[in-house]
Amino acid sequence: GAGVSQSPRYKVAKRGQDVALRCDPISGHVSLFWYQQALGQGPEFLTYFQNEAQLDKSGLPSDRFFAERPEGSVSTLKIQRTQQEDSAVYLCASSLGGRITNTGELFFGEGSRLTVL
Amino acid sequence: DAKTTQPPSMDCAEGRAANLPCNHSTISGNEYVYWYRQIHSQGPQYIIHGLKNNETNEMASLIITEDRKSSTLILPHATLRDTAVYYCIVNTGRRALTFGSGTRLQVQP
Repeated sequence: GAGVSQSPRYKVAKRGQDVALRCDPISGHVSLFWYQQALGQGPEFLTYFQNEAQLDKSGLPSDRFFAERPEGSVSTLKIQRTQQEDSAVYLCASSLGGRITNTGELFFGEGSRLTVL
Repeated sequence: DAKTTQPPSMDCAEGRAANLPCNHSTISGNEYVYWYRQIHSQGPQYIIHGLKNNETNEMASLIITEDRKSSTLILPHATLRDTAVYYCIVNTGRRALTFGSGTRLQVQP
């Protein structure tokens, strides 16, 4: 597709379950970002990849959160032993270059809404 | 990144210009001003960005004051589809964007 694709769009998990959220960035985009957006709040940065390298994971809230992008394309955000406070929309974004300055543009997917019961 | 201040909400009449202000008094010389918007249940969408000069594209205009301590996003003819949360972000372009709470713009028919 032409845009950033995320799956699943909706996920309901029982507390303690592990979940995996997938992001397919725009083909050829070097940079990939994960954000978490709680209800009524702005997106909060989680982690950033340049190709397969995870250059910044300072926003990951705990060691239960893990992200990977092994071949520099598709990325997976994994949350282990989910808690109710993990309920949020998880947004993925990609950009063409290793820096966003040139175009200023991040392309976002529609997000994966996680509800932890 | 420099902190930005935006009003939490604004209203605008359909067909009129929407002027969304943003204060960024601590902006540094190498930081750009970016604007994104987020329509309900969608991911954020890039609108425009600039460094010093005013910028215009098919979506909006960005006016940056000479001292760069504030800016205004202008939607020249707002439509109902422009109802969204608008985020003003200051960033060097070398790090992930930091979104604040934004301005919720309601375009009224």
